[in-house]
Amino acid sequence: LAKTTQPISMDSYEGQEVNITCSHNNIATNDYITWYQQFPSQGPRFIIQGYKTKVTNEVASLFIPADRKSSTLSLPRVSLSDTAVYYCLVAPPGSNYKLTFGKGTLLTVNP
Amino acid sequence: DAGVIQSPRHEVTEMGQEVTLRCKPISGHDYLFWYRQTMMRGLELLIYFNNNVPIDDSGMPEDRFSAKMPNASFSTLKIQPSEPRDSAVYFCASTTGGYHEQYFGPGTRLTVT
Repeated sequence: LAKTTQPISMDSYEGQEVNITCSHNNIATNDYITWYQQFPSQGPRFIIQGYKTKVTNEVASLFIPADRKSSTLSLPRVSLSDTAVYYCLVAPPGSNYKLTFGKGTLLTVNP
Repeated sequence: DAGVIQSPRHEVTEMGQEVTLRCKPISGHDYLFWYRQTMMRGLELLIYFNNNVPIDDSGMPEDRFSAKMPNASFSTLKIQPSEPRDSAVYFCASTTGGYHEQYFGPGTRLTVT
């Protein structure tokens, strides 16, 4: 499994765009990049997934450069309710595979 | 859909007692996962099932832990006997085979005194 590295914590303010970068230097050719969000006292929630270039949904955007050795989760105009831990995961397709969540990035959005 | 349902939400027990955690996956999902989360170790996969069959239990910490899935709509995680170091939040998740999109339940916070 590809090892991922992301910042332990980040601070932001309401209304700002937040970019969380994840490094995965040994990503395999068939690996997908997935991001989860976990609010306090809740289970993780799937946010977005991608293989290359850019993916956008109603929650976030995911930017993946051509070499795929890193990825950036972009949250537009964050609010206080976006305060959560964000996990970057890298694994081959198919749910019959272990997901390693790591420590994630604690994003704190301040008023 | 009601989502993944876990019970109880909180459990406080004394060391040596048996603890049973319960999970009802989302209807139609054929994969079920049990995770444990602590501050020290983060979120760890304990075991997962496919079509009610245990596929990988390498994350189960020791023989005191056991998990079953008697049918597609119910699974249990049992700890016998429980120890204080088992205190954690236990999550159940399910999916239908998509690319890593697992649906997590609200978790059971277990405290062993």
